[in-house]
Amino acid sequence: AQSVSQHNHHVILSEAASLELGCNYSYGGTVNLFWYVQYPGQHLQLLLKYFSGDPLVKGIKGFEAEFIKSKFSFNLRKPSVQWSDTAEYFCAVNARTDSSYKLIFGSGTRLLVRP
Amino acid sequence: DAGITQSPRYKITETGRQVTLMCHQTWSHSYMFWYRQDLGHGLRLIYYSAAADITDKGEVPDGYVVSRSKTENFPLTLESATRSQTSVYFCASRPLLGSESHTQYFGPGTRLTVL
Repeated sequence: AQSVSQHNHHVILSEAASLELGCNYSYGGTVNLFWYVQYPGQHLQLLLKYFSGDPLVKGIKGFEAEFIKSKFSFNLRKPSVQWSDTAEYFCAVNARTDSSYKLIFGSGTRLLVRP
Repeated sequence: DAGITQSPRYKITETGRQVTLMCHQTWSHSYMFWYRQDLGHGLRLIYYSAAADITDKGEVPDGYVVSRSKTENFPLTLESATRSQTSVYFCASRPLLGSESHTQYFGPGTRLTVL
């Protein structure tokens, strides 16, 4: 069955530190990959997505992610985090199941950035 | 542009009561989804709908009922609420076709507590 793994459940960083959140998926077909962010008390917002083309995808707020097909990974990065990046981050894969596509989420990574 | 809205935003109910969570979108998206978010599980799909009068089960449908009489509305009903249904519920939508057809957009969520 398709699945998405986010290995870091909690990450604590100081401001200006670099960030990398891991995401691995299990699905053999064509995938669409997403990172969503959920700020405290808010709904999920799309950070970035990969459909095809350049495997290095740039999103909003200085985030980027790299799709490495051979490793089934789509890690999220930011060179210098800010306190306002404190949030929960979800990796998701749009995978074909039965007769339709469904979005499968990882369990999330909670990021705390200390000022 | 209201986008996607959910009501109520917060709800407290008692075990055994019927509860309906509302979801409304103004984009005329074909697809609508209901997820529940629980700590350690990320988001799990409850039900989804590909169009009016077409609904299908997701990963965790037991105890829930949905309907889609109009494209813009997708209510979720807990027929007899249980404590295990205490969660945050997110509605989402996406179009059928086009460059955004694999991107889901989320509502603000409903926090439901079942006592």
